[in-house]
Amino acid sequence: DAKTTQPTSMDCAEGRAANLPCNHSTISGNEYVYWYRQIHSQGPQYIIHGLKNNETNEMASLIITEDRKSSTLILPHATLRDTAVYYCIVGINTNAGKSTFGDGTTLTVKP
Amino acid sequence: NAGVTQTPKFQVLKTGQSMTLQCAQDMNHEYMSWYRQDPGMGLRLIHYSVGAGITDQGEVPNGYNVSRSTTEDFPLRLLSAAPSQTSVYFCASRSSGGPSDTQYFGPGTRLTVL
Repeated sequence: DAKTTQPTSMDCAEGRAANLPCNHSTISGNEYVYWYRQIHSQGPQYIIHGLKNNETNEMASLIITEDRKSSTLILPHATLRDTAVYYCIVGINTNAGKSTFGDGTTLTVKP
Repeated sequence: NAGVTQTPKFQVLKTGQSMTLQCAQDMNHEYMSWYRQDPGMGLRLIHYSVGAGITDQGEVPNGYNVSRSTTEDFPLRLLSAAPSQTSVYFCASRSSGGPSDTQYFGPGTRLTVL
């Protein structure tokens, strides 16, 4: 699975959009980009995933660059409850759930 | 559905003791995994299983054993606990389908080895 690079931490004002970047320059053609988050030492929670098209669900949007070497997770209206560690993972999900989680980005949403 | 359940929630061991962390899922998922998370760090894969009777090693398998006798259960055994195994342990499961089948995580077991 490709390696990812994320900033260690970010701040965001409550009600504003939070944009979390992820670099995955070694991604291969059949690898997906997945985002999970972990709130205060709970088990990680799935947010969204994509291959090459932008994706949106009720939680977030995922923007993947045309060359697929980077992506951005967008939380459109961040709330205090979105404070968490966000993990960007790249891989072929058929690989038996053996995702490699890096250290992620700690997002702090401030009032 | 209860999802992924883990027991115990907390455990304190002495060096050299052995124990089993329990993990169960009621979603009929084929794939199950064990991760550990040290303070301030990301998750590291210990062992995983693609179905009953099939297991394989992840990044950090030393000191741990697993078995998968049923689809529902995937216990993790610490053979001889060491302080370096103090961590939070997460179990996860997913179905064996395509890329849309994401992982579901349990609430974790917080283990301290003295």
